[in-house]
Amino acid sequence: DTGVSQDPRHKITKRGQNVTFRCDPISEHNRLYWYRQTLGQGPEFLTYFQNEAQLEKSRLLSDRFSAERPKGSFSTLEIQRTEQGDSAMYLCASSQQGYGYTFGSGTRLTVV
Amino acid sequence: KNEVEQSPQNLTAQEGEFITINCSYSVGISALHWLQQHPGGGIVSLFMLSSGKKKHGRLIATINIQEKHSSLHITASHPRDSAVYICAVDIRGDDKIIFGKGTRLHILP
Repeated sequence: DTGVSQDPRHKITKRGQNVTFRCDPISEHNRLYWYRQTLGQGPEFLTYFQNEAQLEKSRLLSDRFSAERPKGSFSTLEIQRTEQGDSAMYLCASSQQGYGYTFGSGTRLTVV
Repeated sequence: KNEVEQSPQNLTAQEGEFITINCSYSVGISALHWLQQHPGGGIVSLFMLSSGKKKHGRLIATINIQEKHSSLHITASHPRDSAVYICAVDIRGDDKIIFGKGTRLHILP
């Protein structure tokens, strides 16, 4: 197990397009988190899963955002009709019952 | 007011200097994390603390639960220590961690 993997590392998209990011957590970890980080700021919580259940969503997660973790393993984060304000680093982290967080390298999204 | 405040926001120092980065928080926590983020974005966990002090190589982290304050120290700083250092807390009774805005450290050779 090589840690938390995120794909792609970078994504440039035109405004209005849909994008999907993937996160593969550490296999033993039951919790998976998505965070968003804009320039000069710390990461902000978006949502998290325990196994396949999405337990909490931030108000930052507008209806254009959807996250899934269908089999309790990898997760996807989709943004529909992207806007320039969606440009950010999207970080994924996993943990075992909230203990020992491991972070991915992030997906940097640029909306042009 | 943010629940997690870091100071300074930016710090430039000469190689070899002793570095201190501070973190204050305003909520009850079960643990505090110090994280390192290099350009390119990936975050590496340095320490997780619930009390006392931890040391790893040239890095030392301390926490004072009563004062709701933690410090990260770097001894004999080196240009490769240049990064953003982020403090984050596990809020007691909650299931996620809350991050500070980070301290951008630049060590000059």
